[in-house]
Amino acid sequence: GAGVSQTPSNKVTEKGKYVELRCDPISGHTALYWYRQSLGQGPEFLIYFQGTGAADDSGLPNDRFFAVRPEGSVSTLKIQRTERGDSAVYLCASSSTGGGYNEQFFGPGTRLTVL
Amino acid sequence: GESVGLHLPTLSVQEGDNSIINCAYSNSASDYFIWYKQESGKGPQFIIDIRSNMDKRQGQRVTVLLNKTVKHLSLQIAATQPGDSAVYFCAENAGYSTLTFGKGTMLLVSP
Repeated sequence: GAGVSQTPSNKVTEKGKYVELRCDPISGHTALYWYRQSLGQGPEFLIYFQGTGAADDSGLPNDRFFAVRPEGSVSTLKIQRTERGDSAVYLCASSSTGGGYNEQFFGPGTRLTVL
Repeated sequence: GESVGLHLPTLSVQEGDNSIINCAYSNSASDYFIWYKQESGKGPQFIIDIRSNMDKRQGQRVTVLLNKTVKHLSLQIAATQPGDSAVYFCAENAGYSTLTFGKGTMLLVSP
């Protein structure tokens, strides 16, 4: 594809439910990032993958959040026992390689609403 | 800058004016800085970047200035157009892969 894509674009769920958010990075990009953006705020880092492995997961807020990238391309962010405070836009980005100085290309985000 | 909660700092300009958006960064170890533009319902879009060994970099209609002494970054947009209306974020990188974003400034351009 031409850019980073994310599905679904919107997700509404009830408190306590499980959700999965999908990210398709730019083809060939080895680095993939997840960020969370609350209303009126800048994106906050969650997790960074280099290939299939999580190189840095220090931004995950607690153990209800988990992400995978089993084949080094598509990634899924999983949230268990959702809480109203999880409501935000979840952004995915990819870059050709990891490390600093590499432009990160962002997808349009998934807007998660927890009722 | 100050925390403004849900209310972003806003810069309102007339079409054709030059715009200056400012950002204070926090980590003195940061050595790479990026400005992003975010339109409603879209992800951030790269505008311009600068490394810490430079104090100025120019792109098409945009200039980024870096003052490491006071940890300040600015984005100048020349001849601002209505299509420039968006929220602008600065981001910093301390040599790792993750970016730390500022809170953002909303730019409103009136025709």
